[in-house]
Amino acid sequence: EPEVTQTPSHQVTQMGQEVILRCVPISNHLYFYWYRQILGQKVEFLVSFYNNEISEKSEIFDDQFSVERPDGSNFTLKIRSTKLEDSAMYFCASGGDRGEQFFGPGTRLTVL
Amino acid sequence: GESVGLHLPTLSVQEGDNSIINCAYSNSASDYFIWYKQESGKGPQFIIDIRSNMDKRQGQRVTVLLNKTVKHLSLQIAATQPGDSAVYFCAALSSGSARQLTFGSGTQLTVLP
Repeated sequence: EPEVTQTPSHQVTQMGQEVILRCVPISNHLYFYWYRQILGQKVEFLVSFYNNEISEKSEIFDDQFSVERPDGSNFTLKIRSTKLEDSAMYFCASGGDRGEQFFGPGTRLTVL
Repeated sequence: GESVGLHLPTLSVQEGDNSIINCAYSNSASDYFIWYKQESGKGPQFIIDIRSNMDKRQGQRVTVLLNKTVKHLSLQIAATQPGDSAVYFCAALSSGSARQLTFGSGTQLTVLP
């Protein structure tokens, strides 16, 4: 069964550094998403992406964040200058027209 | 905006019994709902979804019930197994929102032997 994959599984970085989190969505999906989950808290929406542009973003998704679909298979989330409070699990998801969203295993980001 | 909440943060059931996990939502414009299962250290796993034009939907050992009048949905797991132990989230999508899922806080289901 096709799955969303994410790399790396764990990323440790220093505050102020840039990180890029990578995702390979399910191949026939057209909608792509990033969510995050701070330890012990709810899963929170960051951004949705369709037709090579952002379709919706939350207040969390400020100027430090960007997304890109550099080729036909990858979908990336970049955090330009990480802060301590960016430490969280970051989940990529993909889906089709129905609205269904299938999540990847996540990247644990630790900012020191 | 939407807020989604679960009624109980934890639920313990005996192996073989049926489990019922409840969820409430606030936005009457929410028209699509998904139940997810999340095991420790893993991503949310899609279990079952339901649209607001339905009251009930069944999958393998799972049933989702939707009551739009009171803005409530439930997930029923039949013959609960040890592998069902996980955190269960409901998530809602509003018709006015492009694709933003709003998640509840989760119910930790523990299956007792």
